[in-house]
Amino acid sequence: NAGVTQTPKFQVLKTGQSMTLQCAQDMNHEYMSWYRQDPGMGLRLIHYSVGAGITDQGEVPNGYNVSRSTTEDFPLRLLSAAPSQTSVYFCASSLAGVQETQYFGPGTRLLVL
Amino acid sequence: AQTVTQSQPEMSVQEAETVTLSCTYDTSESDYYLFWYKQPPSRQMILVIRQEAYKQQNATENRFSVNFQKAAKSFSLKISDSQLGDAAMYFCAYQSGGSNYKLTFGKGTLLTVNP
Repeated sequence: NAGVTQTPKFQVLKTGQSMTLQCAQDMNHEYMSWYRQDPGMGLRLIHYSVGAGITDQGEVPNGYNVSRSTTEDFPLRLLSAAPSQTSVYFCASSLAGVQETQYFGPGTRLLVL
Repeated sequence: AQTVTQSQPEMSVQEAETVTLSCTYDTSESDYYLFWYKQPPSRQMILVIRQEAYKQQNATENRFSVNFQKAAKSFSLKISDSQLGDAAMYFCAYQSGGSNYKLTFGKGTLLTVNP
């Protein structure tokens, strides 16, 4: 198993550009989520999904869109990037049930100029 | 809303010694989970240890153990026989035991291991 994979590893964007951060898992996990990590802070939840076709907002959803058309993939879209979205983004997944351990991807570092 | 506080921004330990990282949390729930994640320079988030609130016994994983004090809402991590590879940022995290999968993280403690 590859586990949780994220692409790209690093990306530079200009303000106003759009892009999609990719997240995929091959563990048949129902639950997937996106976090952002800013300097001096822990991770904060952006969006999450408990299964294909179901998504919901987390703590800091503004400026981000998600969809979940398959169990394996959970892309995060930035429609119009802003410097405040400069961060490291982590995708996580787990089996259904809050008692299950969440596994994190390697992260995507995003720089918005 | 739940909060997680790590009061030690940085800690250092000598190789082979023991170090304890502190974490306190605030919640009105009785059913929840607590975690310690390690983040080395590679940025990968690695689960170190987890504790179910309903379990009185403290969790242990090899050289890592926790001191879970439910009444005091304290969840410290003890690393025994510290190794150079233990150097990393350590995050304490809380998860509700209801239907909410959200992890609430502390700000982290940067651990340095001196040879």
